[in-house]
Amino acid sequence: ILNVEQSPQSLHVQEGDSTNFTCSFPSSNFYALHWYRWETAKSPEALFVMTLNGDEKKKGRISATLNTKEGYSYLYIKGSQPEDSATYLCAFTLAGGSYIPTFGRGTSLIVHP
Amino acid sequence: EAGVTQFPSHSVIEKGQTVTLRCDPISGHDNLYWYRRVMGKEIKFLLHFVKESKQDESGMPNNRFLAERTGGTYSTLKVQPAELEDSGVYFCASSQGTPEAFFGQGTRLTVV
Repeated sequence: ILNVEQSPQSLHVQEGDSTNFTCSFPSSNFYALHWYRWETAKSPEALFVMTLNGDEKKKGRISATLNTKEGYSYLYIKGSQPEDSATYLCAFTLAGGSYIPTFGRGTSLIVHP
Repeated sequence: EAGVTQFPSHSVIEKGQTVTLRCDPISGHDNLYWYRRVMGKEIKFLLHFVKESKQDESGMPNNRFLAERTGGTYSTLKVQPAELEDSGVYFCASSQGTPEAFFGQGTRLTVV
């Protein structure tokens, strides 16, 4: 059973604050780490797919880093806005299998105006 | 290009009834996945199709759940008979050749 842990479970911040969340995953047989942004009643939206140790990806005010040797990824949001409020999901894909993403429970972010 | 579409978006049924969920993957995607998210918990894998074949159905909770993908295009997930604990959001995703999976908007199932 693969264990993908996300923390914190939920987060309330004020508009303009910067924030970050953590995703930890098994460090062996790594294939890919995915970050998704999910607003209720909408499709989870893919933010990043990272495959290499040390990868850093950026999309606007959101960025992510990856450490496959120690099994963690950070997602950063700079200058949070109310429209950033969503659940942020991370998913881990194991090498050598069916490449099925295994999800964590998500971090629920609420940005207050 | 159309994304992954799921139907219905919401379903409320009584315990003991049957419900069928449908997923249309992105055209040309051989891989199709079903996932379920129960309130407050992680999105859990149910099964994986490659074209019309079930590649992995290890996540299916029990034999009340039946998934099909005839012809390797759209897929259906039938729950019969539905129980209260089946309530949740059922997601479908598809992929082709890359680790990135594209998700549908989900079907919110409520069993009362």
